[in-house]
Amino acid sequence: KAGVTQTPRYLIKTRGQQVTLSCSPISGHRSVSWYQQTPGQGLQFLFEYFSETQRNKGNFPGRFSGRQFSNSRSEMNVSTLELGDSALYLCASSSGLRDEQFFGPGTRLTVL
Amino acid sequence: AQTVTQSQPEMSVQEAETVTLSCTYDTSENNYYLFWYKQPPSRQMILVIRQEAYKQQNATENRFSVNFQKAAKSFSLKISDSQLGDTAMYFCAFMKGSGGGADGLTFGKGTHLIIQP
Repeated sequence: KAGVTQTPRYLIKTRGQQVTLSCSPISGHRSVSWYQQTPGQGLQFLFEYFSETQRNKGNFPGRFSGRQFSNSRSEMNVSTLELGDSALYLCASSSGLRDEQFFGPGTRLTVL
Repeated sequence: AQTVTQSQPEMSVQEAETVTLSCTYDTSENNYYLFWYKQPPSRQMILVIRQEAYKQQNATENRFSVNFQKAAKSFSLKISDSQLGDTAMYFCAFMKGSGGGADGLTFGKGTHLIIQP
C-alpha cells in the first residue's frame, strides 16, 4: 500500500499571504490529522477529520482551517501568514479515530 | 488535559549497546494509548511501538520493548542491540482512548538518540 503523501514538500511564502497544503491518506483510511512541528513548541495537534467532518481541533487561531473530501484526501489552509507559522506540517492517517496514526513526510513551510 | 514529559533531551550510546529512553505522562483518563515514534533526519515520523493502557503486558516489537508502569504513569522505551540506523529523535505520545476531546496525539519534546559506531 502506498503511504501517506503530502504536497508540496516545500513552500516559501511571505507574510500576509495564504497557503493550502494537501494530504492523501493511505488507501482505506478515513481519518486524517494535522500537526505542526516547530523547534520551540514541538509537535502540536491542529485538527482531525473523519468522514469529511472535523472531529477534534487543537488550540490554534481561526486562521488555520481544513477540510476533508469524500475520497478522504484533506487540505489545510492558513490565511494571513505570520512569521511564526514557519514550521513542518505533518499529516497522519488512520483507519478510525482511535487507531494508530501513520505520518506523511511533511510540508516544510517558510514564511518570509 | 494531558501532558507528556521526556526528561532526556539527548542520549548517546555505542553501537550494539542497550539504551532506555524515559517518558512520563499525566492524565486523569483511565482508557488511553501510548506510543513511541521515531523521527530520523529525513523527518519522516515512524511508529515504533504502541501500548494500550488496559493491557498489563508490555508491548514488544523486535529489538524495541516498553516498560509500562500505569500507576507511576511511566512509559519507557528499551532498544536492544542498538544500530546506527536507530539514530533519530524519539517521541513519546499519548492518545485518549474514548470519548470526545480536542487532543489528537499529545507528544513529548523528544529525545535525540545518537548511536556511535
